[in-house]
Formats: sequence, structure tokens, C-alpha cells
Amino acid sequence: EAGVTQFPSHSVIEKGQTVTLRCDPISGHDNLYWYRRVMGKEIKFLLHFVKESKQDESGMPNNRFLAERTGGTYSTLKVQPAELEDSGVYFCASSPRGMNTEAFFGQGTRLTVV
Amino acid sequence: AQSVSQHNHHVILSEAASLELGCNYSYGGTVNLFWYVQYPGQHLQLLLKYFSGDPLVKGIKGFEAEFIKSKFSFNLRKPSVQWSDTAEYFCAPRSYNTDKLIFGTGTRLQVFP
Repeated sequence: EAGVTQFPSHSVIEKGQTVTLRCDPISGHDNLYWYRRVMGKEIKFLLHFVKESKQDESGMPNNRFLAERTGGTYSTLKVQPAELEDSGVYFCASSPRGMNTEAFFGQGTRLTVV
Repeated sequence: AQSVSQHNHHVILSEAASLELGCNYSYGGTVNLFWYVQYPGQHLQLLLKYFSGDPLVKGIKGFEAEFIKSKFSFNLRKPSVQWSDTAEYFCAPRSYNTDKLIFGTGTRLQVFP
């Protein structure tokens, strides 16, 4: 069974450019989460999808960040325009609905804005 | 609001020493509790989990954690650490009501031979 996959694994872009990160969850997992870790600090929650709906987007930093999950399968996280402080590792995780289930993580996308 | 606190940010031990990492969460409802580990250069992986039942749960590589409901705690323990346990450890509660999974600040463990 394929795990959670994220693309790209690394991205280096200039300030002001646009970047789109992608997450493919485990098939059948309704929950999809995005997190960000900046410079070895805490893993900060960004948002939570249940199927295609945004259940909780309280962690999204500002309106330069847009997440989508059309059709309830893969998700994209777009940063437009990127700023220097957006650099970090973006993690995606997925899990089945309901409690007593665990979340599985992708390897992360390391974003560097220069 | 849901929150989690890890008390130890950086722990340095010698091999064979005992380990206990503190975790307290703040949430009024029912939660599932997890510890995740990230070894150098690898992605996050599950160390152990508590759903219900016996409050003492065992995970991989000899780790265990005890859920104390009255203290809202879920401390991680290992009787004798190894050099290969060098990693970062994250406590993560997940709300029953919302399915939201959040992380503590993490504890960086360094084990010296």
C-alpha cells in the first residue's frame, strides 16, 4: 500500500514567486492535514480537510496561502506570492475518519524562499 | 481550545540511562494521544498511541507511555536508551470531536555512547 506522498521534495524559489505543493494521501483517507515546521521550531498546524471540505483552517498564516482538495483526493497548497518567512518544511498527513485511527505522514517538502 | 505542552526541549543522555519526556495537553473533551518520532533525515513516524483501555501503552523499540487522565498527561518513558534513539520526539493529542491533530514543540534527544 502506498503511503502519503508529497511533491516536490525540495523547492527553491525567489521572493515574490508562486509555488504549489502537492500531497497525495493514502487512498480512502478522508482526513488530510497540512503542517509547517520553520527552522527546527514547532510543527505548526495549518489546516485540516475532511474529504474536500475545509474542516479547520485556523492555522493558515495569511491569504497568501491557498489550500484545495478538489474531489477529496489529493491536495495542493499554493503560496502566492512567497515571502522569505515562508521557508520551512511543509508536512502532509492523512488518516481515516473517526477516532482510534492514526495519521500517516509524508516525507515533507522543504521550501526555501530566497 | 486544544493545546499541548512538552516540558523538555533538549535532553542529553548516556547510553543505558533512563528516559522520561513530559507531555501535558489541554482539552476538555476526549482525545486520542500519540507520540511521534523523527530520526535524522527521516520523516515522522508513529512511536505509540493511546486510544482507550489500559493507560500504560507500549510502542516500538521499548518505548512506553502512561496516560494519566486526572493530570492530562501522557509521558513517554524508556528504561534504557540507546544511541539509535537519538531523534526528535513529539507528543500529539487528537480531538474526538474534530479529528484535529496538533503537536507539541518537540524534544530533541541526544544519546551518547
